[in-house]
Amino acid sequence: SAVISQKPSRDICQRGTSLTIQCQVDSQVTMMFWYRQQPGQSLTLIATANQGSEATYESGFVIDKFPISRPNLTFSTLTVSNMSPEDSSIYLCSVAGQGYEQYFGPGTRLTVT
Amino acid sequence: AQSVTQPDIHITVSEGASLELRCNYSYGATPYLFWYVQSPGQGLQLLLKYFSGDTLVQGIKGFEAEFKRSQSSFNLRKPSVHWSDAAEYFCAVGAPRVNTGFQKLVFGTGTRLLVSP
Repeated sequence: SAVISQKPSRDICQRGTSLTIQCQVDSQVTMMFWYRQQPGQSLTLIATANQGSEATYESGFVIDKFPISRPNLTFSTLTVSNMSPEDSSIYLCSVAGQGYEQYFGPGTRLTVT
Repeated sequence: AQSVTQPDIHITVSEGASLELRCNYSYGATPYLFWYVQSPGQGLQLLLKYFSGDTLVQGIKGFEAEFKRSQSSFNLRKPSVHWSDAAEYFCAVGAPRVNTGFQKLVFGTGTRLLVSP
C-alpha cells in the first residue's frame, strides 16, 4: 500500500482566512480523494482529484470553497477558503489501491476560531 | 445510492472476550465492502475488504468479516479482543463509477469500541 503524508497535521485558524493542506504520496497514483470528517461524524467525500484535469466535486461541495490542485501523480492540495467554525474538521486525503480499496493519510485536524 | 448502517454507536467488550461489530449496507449490485479502523488522532487503516468469492474474509490484526447477501450484512469479528483494539471502526461500501472507473466509498457512522480490563 502507498505511504501518504499530509501537512500540516493540525492547525488553528481564524475565521475568514484560508488554509491549504498538502497530500504527498510515495508512488504515482491516478486518483486522489479528499474527505472531511466533522467532529464525531463519519467521512464524507469532498472531491476526486485527477492529474491534469479539474477535480470532481460531490454534492454540497463547491470549487470556490474547496479549490483543489493536482499538479502531478504524487501530490495534491486542498484549500479551505474563507473559513468559518463549521469548517472545523479532520481533512483526509486518500488514494485508490489496485483493488478499489483506498488508503488514507493521517489527516489534518483543523480548528477554526 | 448506496448507504451503510452501523447500528451500534458504542460497544464495550472485556479484554479477551469476542467481538462482533454490525454493518448493514444498501446497494443494488454486488457490493465492494470494507472495514477500516481509526485510532485516536490517526488516519484510517484498512482492516479487510470483500469483492467476491469466499464470503468469509480474513484481515489484519486477527479480524475477519462475513458477507451475507441475504441479510445485506458484513459484520466484523474478532475472537479475542486486546486493549489495543480500542478505536473507532468504520464499515464502507463502494461501487465503481462507469465513466471514471474509480470507486466512491460511502462510510457508515462508525462504532466506537471500548475495551475494559
